[in-house]
Amino acid sequence: GESVGLHLPTLSVQEGDNSIINCAYSNSASDYFIWYKQESGKGPQFIIDIRSNMDKRQGQRVTVLLNKTVKHLSLQIAATQPGDSAVYFCAETVSTSGTYKYIFGTGTRLKVLA
Amino acid sequence: GAVVSQHPSRVICKSGTSVKIECRSLDFQATTMFWYRQFPKQSLMLMATSNEGSKATYEQGVEKDKFLINHASLTLSTLTVTSAHPEDSSFYICSANSLQETQYFGPGTRLLVL
Repeated sequence: GESVGLHLPTLSVQEGDNSIINCAYSNSASDYFIWYKQESGKGPQFIIDIRSNMDKRQGQRVTVLLNKTVKHLSLQIAATQPGDSAVYFCAETVSTSGTYKYIFGTGTRLKVLA
Repeated sequence: GAVVSQHPSRVICKSGTSVKIECRSLDFQATTMFWYRQFPKQSLMLMATSNEGSKATYEQGVEKDKFLINHASLTLSTLTVTSAHPEDSSFYICSANSLQETQYFGPGTRLLVL
């Protein structure tokens, strides 16, 4: 369903450690998922995507895991750096009359501790 | 590639006035553009979807007469907030895609209505 978030959950990690950010999605028919990073006062920045026919996809320092059985998505960031501090959103896509719309998750704030 | 710009980045207006926000795809032709609103510490909420040359499709609860959307070309969409009130103060973000599902986001426009 639509995301309604009043409080952003926060994940604090030590610099150099790995981060795991989780997301639950709602629509079992969604077949495309994306992770975005949003820094304060800026628009979302594409990180990585995955299609429903895959359960894992790797990028540079990031890995996305998809578990369709429990409708769960996770983003793993290796060797977290201060520049990774931001809010991370997952998005699922729903198709309406041929147009793909995004439904965003609540978001997670990642704080990297020096 | 896939750069989306917004103008203005910040705007302050008096209650009752109208404000126009522009969204441009700079290096690709956007068949579909999307407008989102984001309140502090919350996720992005889709307001409307617009296809070039067609009327916008508004999400439930979004007043189409208050938030006028024009998508006159494949590189430009505008959102006009008419008779703005303080509760319309928010961060407005546009995105665009071409024939694929991936949306590319603009940097956002901060609207403050006094």
